[in-house]
Amino acid sequence: AQKITQTQPGMFVQEKEAVTLDCTYDTSDPSYGLFWYKQPSSGEMIFLIYQGSYDQQNATEGRYSLNFQKARKSANLVISASQLGDSAMYFCAMREASGGSNYKLTFGKGTLLTVNP
Amino acid sequence: SAVISQKPSRDICQRGTSLTIQCQVDSQVTMMFWYRQQPGQSLTLIATANQGSEATYESGFVIDKFPISRPNLTFSTLTVSNMSPEDSSIYLCSVEQGVSSGNTIYFGEGSWLTVV
Repeated sequence: AQKITQTQPGMFVQEKEAVTLDCTYDTSDPSYGLFWYKQPSSGEMIFLIYQGSYDQQNATEGRYSLNFQKARKSANLVISASQLGDSAMYFCAMREASGGSNYKLTFGKGTLLTVNP
Repeated sequence: SAVISQKPSRDICQRGTSLTIQCQVDSQVTMMFWYRQQPGQSLTLIATANQGSEATYESGFVIDKFPISRPNLTFSTLTVSNMSPEDSSIYLCSVEQGVSSGNTIYFGEGSWLTVV
C-alpha cells in the first residue's frame, strides 16, 4: 500500500482564490511528521510547511496552512489568495520515527497546480 | 533555514561516463541525504550520508553505482557511475536542521542530469 497518496494529479485555481491540495497517509507509527514541498519548473524543492503527529494545532506558514485530520490520516495543504507564482508541482511527504531509516522521507506522486489569471 | 548549494545545476553526459555532484551546506549537519527524481516521478531516497561512516543505501541502490563521500559536516558528493539514459534524473541533496524528529528537511536546488 502507498504510504502517501495524492489523488489530484492536477488542479486549477483562479488567482486570488484559495485551493486545497489533498494528501492522505498510511502509517502505524505513533510518531511521524508530515511535510509539504513546492517544486517549480526549475526543479528545486522548496519547503512549505511541517506538521508533527503530536502537534495539537494545525500548522500555518503565511498563506499556507495544513488541515491535519489525524483520525482520517489526512494532511491537506490549503493555499489562500493564490498567486501566479504558486503554479508548480506540490509534494506531500512523511517521515516516520521508527524503522531502519529514521529520517527517510516518503513522497507522494505530487499535484500539479496551475493558477489562472 | 539551511542554504544548500549543488553543483552542477545541469549537465549532459555521455553514456558510460561518470559524474560527481557536489553538495555544500552553510552550516554543520549530522545527516545528509541524496534523492533521485526520475522524469515525471516523485523523489526516491538513494542513501543517507553521515560524516565519518559509510553511507547507508536504500533498497535498489548500490555503492558501486552511486558512491558517496562525506568528508566533513558541511559537504558531500554523489557520483553517478557508468551512466545510462535511465540515470537521467534530477539528483537532490537534502539536510535536516537539528536533531529532533520535529525539525525540517531542506533541499538543494537539484542537479539535472541528461544522459545521451
